Amino acid sequence: SAVISQKPSRDICQRGTSLTIQCQVDSQVTMMFWYRQQPGQSLTLIATANQGSEATYESGFVIDKFPISRPNLTFSTLTVSNMSPEDSSIYLCSVASSSYEQYFGPGTRLTVT
Amino acid sequence: KQEVTQIPAALSVPEGENLVLNCSFTDSAIYNLQWFRQDPGKGLTSLLLIQSSQREQTSGRLNASLDKSSGRSTLYIAASQPGDSATYLCAAKGGSNDYKLSFGAGTTVTVRA
Repeated sequence: SAVISQKPSRDICQRGTSLTIQCQVDSQVTMMFWYRQQPGQSLTLIATANQGSEATYESGFVIDKFPISRPNLTFSTLTVSNMSPEDSSIYLCSVASSSYEQYFGPGTRLTVT
Repeated sequence: KQEVTQIPAALSVPEGENLVLNCSFTDSAIYNLQWFRQDPGKGLTSLLLIQSSQREQTSGRLNASLDKSSGRSTLYIAASQPGDSATYLCAAKGGSNDYKLSFGAGTTVTVRA
């Protein structure tokens, strides 16, 4: 299994600002993902972070709002731009093994005021 | 589109009782099904992964079964303990080459001492 860390673990931000979340994995992985979990809800996939190319976004999520970087096989960032209170969520990164088992980071708890 | 349902949404049992958590999915053409545990405000911990060719998987007090034809998976937790209190999520991976997981909304378990 992979060990995944995220920074920051939580933050409180003002509306209109941006926050960049970092995800670090202890081994090289091909597939890395970003999820959002809104209060009281289950997980929704935001995008797949592709190394060396643009991220692949799911329906309802756009690059201008959630730019993603993937500079190498162990690291990725997700930026939440021009935040509003509706962006208050837990943001999680995950990786998939070759057997398609997914492992998740500890999450970043974001509150937008 | 795969729809994953978990019933009940919440469950409270006395310590020592066995837990039975249900997960149903609409598209039986799944590649695998994964069970996760989530503590409040935290990330997801992978508990068990069942491949589509398997009927069950066991790890310690945990046992997960899979019946593709009826679109159901069940997670059994034997001799529950207060430390088992958490939200349990199931997620189905489709049969295609992508890594996308479809999550249920979760069952929140409280084990009373």
